[in-house]
Amino acid sequence: AQSVTQLDSQVPVFEEAPVELRCNYSSSVSVYLFWYVQYPNQGLQLLLKYLSGSTLVKGINGFEAEFNKSQTSFHLRKPSVHISDTAEYFCAVSDSDYKLSFGAGTTVTVRA
Amino acid sequence: NAGVTQTPKFQVLKTGQSMTLQCAQDMNHNSMYWYRQDPGMGLRLIYYSASEGTTDKGEVPNGYNVSRLNKREFSLRLESAAPSQTSVYFCAGDQGVSGNTIYFGEGSWLTVV
Repeated sequence: AQSVTQLDSQVPVFEEAPVELRCNYSSSVSVYLFWYVQYPNQGLQLLLKYLSGSTLVKGINGFEAEFNKSQTSFHLRKPSVHISDTAEYFCAVSDSDYKLSFGAGTTVTVRA
Repeated sequence: NAGVTQTPKFQVLKTGQSMTLQCAQDMNHNSMYWYRQDPGMGLRLIYYSASEGTTDKGEVPNGYNVSRLNKREFSLRLESAAPSQTSVYFCAGDQGVSGNTIYFGEGSWLTVV
């Protein structure tokens, strides 16, 4: 099974500032990569995913992520955050075994 | 279209009690999953069902049992609850194909005292 490392457990950021959440995974022949978001007291919902093709993936709410095979990374970025982006973000990976492996999560707190 | 629905949302149990978490989906998912979420540990897979009639252990199955009653329903049972099972539990489903999006329920908060 894949393993996923989210390098930051907490990321405080001011409103309208950019944010980057880092994710690395254990290498494999081919992987599928995901970012999920969890708003307070809710389940997880998909932000974006990489299956193949362009390494820059755009998701909902202005988020994007870049797949870097040589560095086995899939970092998530947003150029300008809003208060409503306060949430926990999970990186996840699957390979030919379709089950997902999740990282420990990164809590983003956006301050005015 | 309710998606993935799980009940109860909150439950407090005494050590040694049993209970069942219910999950139902109306998205025609082939595969269903039970995860637990603990601070700093992300989501860990307890059990999954690749298709109706099959179940398999995930990463942390000890102390749990599951039943895939039909394609729509996948229940998680704690036979003798322990404080270590205090957690938030999520049911989820997808088509069971690599790269598919997995859809989550809203979670069940379980406290074992």
